[in-house]
Amino acid sequence: TQLLEQSPQFLSIQEGENLTVYCNSSSVFSSLQWYRQEPGEGPVLLVTVVTGGEVKKLKRLTFQFGDARKDSSLHITAAQPGDTGLYLCAFRGSQGNLIFGKGTKLSVKP
Amino acid sequence: EPEVTQTPSHQVTQMGQEVILRCVPISNHLYFYWYRQILGQKVEFLVSFYNNEISEKSEIFDDQFSVERPDGSNFTLKIRSTKLEDSAMYFCASSELGTRDTEAFFGQGTRLTVV
Repeated sequence: TQLLEQSPQFLSIQEGENLTVYCNSSSVFSSLQWYRQEPGEGPVLLVTVVTGGEVKKLKRLTFQFGDARKDSSLHITAAQPGDTGLYLCAFRGSQGNLIFGKGTKLSVKP
Repeated sequence: EPEVTQTPSHQVTQMGQEVILRCVPISNHLYFYWYRQILGQKVEFLVSFYNNEISEKSEIFDDQFSVERPDGSNFTLKIRSTKLEDSAMYFCASSELGTRDTEAFFGQGTRLTVV
């Protein structure tokens, strides 16, 4: 059983389209983090969401934490080829270790 | 900008051989981690290290694995007798604190290929 279920697993869209990817769980988290990983590189933190219902914006990326703190979404407006990558949600355990979802692999075609 | 560096970037080893993967965490960070990512699969936690000892480890981190901070700057992961299934990207990460909202910084990874 996956603690964090990410959907869709794969997403291929054209430049300029909008998209939303999801991170769901039956567990309640004090916070969730979103990372982006490019091929051959390590994950890079995009955002941490902490408060239920919280919305954070990072340029064209909008992150939302569910009211019950069990799920989160990432919405990208007007996607660009540079947005291509693996988007991972994760929570941190008591010792700071990260537990990742399987990720959504996004491909944005010019 | 400070970064986590890992060497080598790619290591090919024969099954049964010992390998040591090296990492230099960011200098003022106190918490260190190893993760692995088998090709096409998710990033999996291996071990966390704080105050010169292991603070947590996953089921993957069995007796074949060990970690060390030999000189106050390097953080190493040793696999004593490699198996084919150890082939993966191994990522080192460090963070200033171990709290839930602290950012973890990842290195670029070492691709380990066991043949």
